[in-house]
Amino acid sequence: NAGVTQTPKFRVLKTGQSMTLLCAQDMNHEYMYWYRQDPGMGLRLIHYSVGEGTTAKGEVPDGYNVSRLKKQNFLLGLESAAPSQTSVYFCASSNTQVASGANVLTFGAGSRLTVL
Amino acid sequence: AQSVTQLDSQVPVFEEAPVELRCNYSSSVSVYLFWYVQYPNQGLQLLLKYLSGSTLVESINGFEAEFNKSQTSFHLRKPSVHISDTAEYFCAVTSNDYKLSFGAGTTVTVRA
Repeated sequence: NAGVTQTPKFRVLKTGQSMTLLCAQDMNHEYMYWYRQDPGMGLRLIHYSVGEGTTAKGEVPDGYNVSRLKKQNFLLGLESAAPSQTSVYFCASSNTQVASGANVLTFGAGSRLTVL
Repeated sequence: AQSVTQLDSQVPVFEEAPVELRCNYSSSVSVYLFWYVQYPNQGLQLLLKYLSGSTLVESINGFEAEFNKSQTSFHLRKPSVHISDTAEYFCAVTSNDYKLSFGAGTTVTVRA
């Protein structure tokens, strides 16, 4: 029962390098999200998706791109990494809108990214 | 748009003592409120939620939170904490859409 799996768990990049974080969920959830967590700032939404083939911007989308080519996968890309993108990244998924009352976000274990 | 303020960043507490974590929100419309918990080196897990109905909601491990519309608050309480309650706690709010807005978090450290 894997739930939400994020890879890689740790990564160190140099400024200007690119990379992709992969989020995979095996719960057939429609909605997927990428958050970043920084000390004293809680979680901030980067991008989200309401279904296969759709993506939308969250609070802090600049410097990131996403794709949802398959329902179970949500990729977060950094085209040219910057030190300000050093953070812990969390993927989450849910099967309903919050308003339905049944929504529960299931989170992955996180990916720690350091940009030097 | 909505926002969340968690008034305490760190709360040290002795084992078996009570704890209260304060959360205030701002929104121009009706909201749904949540508390999530993050244990060390793990992702977030839902602790409890308020959607409608009774303003007092409880979790299975002894936490409770009360929705106070007039004070726009959703404080979390536990009458007697355990060492295993050491974690970071996040208050979150949404107003009828897909996206949660999270507070900055409160770190609870329980000491023997």
